[in-house]
Amino acid sequence: QVHLVQSGAEVKKPGASVKVSCSVSGYPFIDYGISWVRQAPGQGLEWMGWISPYTGKTYYAKNLQGRVTMTTDTSTSTFYMEMRSLRSDDTAVIYCARSQERGGFPFDFWGQGTLLTVSP
Amino acid sequence: SYVLTQPPSVSVAPGQTATITCGGNDLGSKSVHWLQQKPGQAPVLVIYYDNVRPSAIPGRFSGSSSGETATLTISRVEADDEADYYCHVWDSTSDHVFGPGTKVTVL
Repeated sequence: QVHLVQSGAEVKKPGASVKVSCSVSGYPFIDYGISWVRQAPGQGLEWMGWISPYTGKTYYAKNLQGRVTMTTDTSTSTFYMEMRSLRSDDTAVIYCARSQERGGFPFDFWGQGTLLTVSP
Repeated sequence: SYVLTQPPSVSVAPGQTATITCGGNDLGSKSVHWLQQKPGQAPVLVIYYDNVRPSAIPGRFSGSSSGETATLTISRVEADDEADYYCHVWDSTSDHVFGPGTKVTVL
């Protein structure tokens, strides 16, 4: 079966950086890209960006450009999302979700989520 | 930017039908996907491409889309259907957009 397993919860101070991982299995790694989606406490879903494991091409949400970097490690079938200059309003559960391409395709499998807490 | 609208909440008695709407400009020309999220859990895809149901999702879930509105219908509602439901589209200028979510309460 398809599995997306994310790294554990993180607590960071404002101004710090965080790197979240998403390890995938159960399908050919290069066949599907990964979107990162976050959800602030009690709020809805917000798309952060998408990366192709085949080309390394990335697309980031406009409001996060310059603070977020998405990468892959083909040798371990793992995707990474790094966010810098963290603020308190970055506190959220961050999910990775699989989709074939950047646009129009459904997010058919999701990771379990990684809680990011940004607090002094 | 592209905006989706959903009613904040829908209440339904067990065995009845829940109808959740999602509104957006020219929504019928886009592919609409629906996600179910239970408290403390990751979202689960329940309908994609307007009306396609993943194999693991019960046949009680169905979807449609036309004009400015997409609809998720849950027939013969069960207690386990209580969750937040989000519509999701991709727009060429706004990228991935989610609706604000609808909380379905089973009475």
